[in-house]
Parts: sequence; structure tokens; C-alpha cells
Amino acid sequence: GQQVMQIPQYQHVQEGEDFTTYCNSSTTLSNIQWYKQRPGGHPVFLIQLVKSGEVKKQKRLTFQFGEAKKNSSLHITATQTTDVGTYFCALSNTGNQFYFGTGTSLTVIP
Amino acid sequence: EAGVTQSPTHLIKTRGQQVTLRCSPISGHTSVYWYQQALGLGLQFLLWYDEGEERNRGNFPPRFSGRQFPNYSSELNVNALELEDSALYLCASSLGWGEQFFGPGTRLTVL
Repeated sequence: GQQVMQIPQYQHVQEGEDFTTYCNSSTTLSNIQWYKQRPGGHPVFLIQLVKSGEVKKQKRLTFQFGEAKKNSSLHITATQTTDVGTYFCALSNTGNQFYFGTGTSLTVIP
Repeated sequence: EAGVTQSPTHLIKTRGQQVTLRCSPISGHTSVYWYQQALGLGLQFLLWYDEGEERNRGNFPPRFSGRQFPNYSSELNVNALELEDSALYLCASSLGWGEQFFGPGTRLTVL
């Protein structure tokens, strides 16, 4: 089956510092999605990437899809306490079957 | 527009019992996905239904099963419950291969 490695597993940052989580696949992907799960909540969709080398921005969040379509990253600039949660990538090599990464749990220290 | 709904919210069962969880997708969504999220862990894919058919299943034993009804709602059945089945069971719906909308989940505790 699909192997999804997401690193780091945990990240503690001071408020205002940057944060990056990486998602790596053993196979070439058709697309990738990113989700955020707040403590006690359910995953909420953030974005979908489809094209090789694609970069998308949402305010302080920058999402990137690797040129080979085997990896992706999520970068948050100047973290805020509202960024706390677990960030999951969800990979697909068929377009409609998604496998979730293990997630990166972000703690922001005020 | 109503989101994805799941019932019940919480459930406590004992080992060996059977349980049925329910999910109603967003109106118009034909795909329903089930995931298991054990405490502090990631989402493990269980089942995917689309247009009433099971399209794929994850690496779970056959005692995990389900179905999708003509109105696209879905049930997840777990037989012969084991302690390690304790988890949050999440249902998500989607239209095509777009974003998945998750329900609030059912918290299952097996004693």
C-alpha cells in the first residue's frame, strides 16, 4: 500500500517563529491534500495541490508540491497560537483514494 | 447547508460485542470514506464507498465492514470488538476527488 512519511512528528515553536512540515511518498502522486485538525476536533481541508512544482499561498501558509510529485511541504510564517493543531497530508496516486500521513503536531508557545 | 453528520457521538461497548456507526454525507456527495483514528495517532483508512459500491478497503480485518445506501448515507459495522478497536471513527464525504468534508466522529470505547 501507499507509504506516507510525514516529519517531524512533533514541533514546538515560540510564537512568531516559522514552522515547516514535510510529507514524502514512496510513489508518484496524482495530487495531495493538506488538512488541519485542532485538538478535540476533526480534520478540516486546507488545500489541494495537483501540478508538479506547484506553490500555493494562503495568508501565512505556503504549500508546495515537489517537481517529481513525490513530496510536499507546508510552511507557516510567523506562527500564532491559532495555528496550534495537527497538520496532515493526504496523498493520492489515483485521484480519489487518499492515504493520510501520520501528522505533525504543532504547539505554539506564547 | 448541513455538514457531515455521524451518530452516535460516543459509544461504550465490551469485548466481543458488535457495533454499528452511521454517517450522513453532505447533500449531493456520492463518496463516503471511513477512517479510524486511535488516540494521538493519524488517520487509518478503513473503507471507501461511492455510488453504493465499496471501491476500496484499508488493511483491516473482515470484521470491519459497511455499506452505502441509495441516499448515500453509510454504516460502518464492527463485529467481535477488541480492546484495540477503541478509537475515534471519522466519516468524510466528497464530490469527485475534491476536498473531503469530515464529520465530528464517533468515539468508541471498548472495555
